[in-house]
Amino acid sequence: DVKVTQSSRYLVKRTGEKVFLECVQDMDHENMFWYRQDPGLGLRLIYFSYDVKMKEKGDIPEGYSVSREKKERFSLILESASTNQTSMYLCASSQLVGGETQYFGPGTRLLVL
Amino acid sequence: GQNIDQPTEMTATEGAIVQINCTYQTSGFNGLFWYQQHAGEAPTFLSYNVLDGLEEKGRFSSFLSRSKGYSYLLLKELQMKDSASYLCAVRGTDSWGKFQFGAGTQVVVTP
Repeated sequence: DVKVTQSSRYLVKRTGEKVFLECVQDMDHENMFWYRQDPGLGLRLIYFSYDVKMKEKGDIPEGYSVSREKKERFSLILESASTNQTSMYLCASSQLVGGETQYFGPGTRLLVL
Repeated sequence: GQNIDQPTEMTATEGAIVQINCTYQTSGFNGLFWYQQHAGEAPTFLSYNVLDGLEEKGRFSSFLSRSKGYSYLLLKELQMKDSASYLCAVRGTDSWGKFQFGAGTQVVVTP
């Protein structure tokens, strides 16, 4: 059974704090993605990675960075959290090619005060 | 630019049929996906169309017309557990298979 896990389901942080969101997949997938989901806007791609140490900007990378030191783990970093980064963050993974869907983690609901 | 449109909300009665439409304008097309997302949970894969026509999977069917940039998800014999958000997503033709998502359609099933 495929599995994508995220380190926290709920997180409360203060403005200016550095925030780490961790994602781990056990499917040996090459691609990993970080999205944020906001009401009325759908899922928006922040960053993705297609290999260890490789990363590409998505549609809304500002204020975020990522790290992929191991194939199974993809971290999203908020260098200095701001209130407009309050959102649901979803991690996903997929194979590099083919008809494969993306598999999603359960999400982390982040509140920045 | 990229644009994916789907209705915001639909309401239907238990046992009925509901059709969720999705129109898209994207710079590249390599498949259309439908996901189901219950409140507070991760999206889960429902269906995938890359060629024109209808794909049937039990109570759920999905249709694609590439020339019209149009897809629909058909939910038959609605059950209360089908109350959820349904996301339409288009995969692009870039090397990494990036997805573009619609905002989702909230389906409310009433008794």
